[in-house]
Amino acid sequence: DTAVSQTPKYLVTQMGNDKSIKCEQNLGHDTMYWYKQDSKKFLKIMFSYNNKELIINETVPNRFSPKSPDKAHLNLHINSLELGDSAVYFCASSQSPGQGAGYTFGSGTRLTVV
Amino acid sequence: GDSVTQMEGPVTLSEEAFLTINCTYTATGYPSLFWYVQYPGEGLQLLLKATKADDKGSNKGFEATYRKETTSFHLEKGSVQVSDSAVYFCALSGTASKLTFGTGTRLQVTL
Repeated sequence: DTAVSQTPKYLVTQMGNDKSIKCEQNLGHDTMYWYKQDSKKFLKIMFSYNNKELIINETVPNRFSPKSPDKAHLNLHINSLELGDSAVYFCASSQSPGQGAGYTFGSGTRLTVV
Repeated sequence: GDSVTQMEGPVTLSEEAFLTINCTYTATGYPSLFWYVQYPGEGLQLLLKATKADDKGSNKGFEATYRKETTSFHLEKGSVQVSDSAVYFCALSGTASKLTFGTGTRLQVTL
């Protein structure tokens, strides 16, 4: 059983489209995250939810909207896609948002905007 | 705010060579420190961690010691293998309730 699963693994779409990425974790963790990894491998947090409540919302364009229907799921919807949105998006989860909690990452969604 | 600085890569080593990847951090309070590894085409995996000063994290022959006096958490391995080729990320978890990553260091091990 995959602990943190993301779908789709690859996503190629045209500029201006709207797309969603789904994430599910079966670890019973309370906290979930979205990270963006750019072409230089730099990882930056976008959002974090704890028990379905948004706790971290970094400086991200409001075209990006996370949704957490329950604590096992965290989806990411992106409106009006731009070329600069091309990246690998990682979902992660942890037992709590506190210090010392290691994260479990999904395998990533490679988004290519053409 | 919190930040992590890693040595720039790529690091190219022959098999069985000694590895050091430097990592220093800036944070308020007493953060937890981590090393993650990313193999090609995969997500990040936790390699090791340390939650307080002088703790040593270890896994799969890799080690790192939490040095508060030098704000460092350098990754070491005595004898690398081709299968260790990956990108290694140093990270910290501080008061902001999130993991802050370094820029990653690519390791290439050759026969």
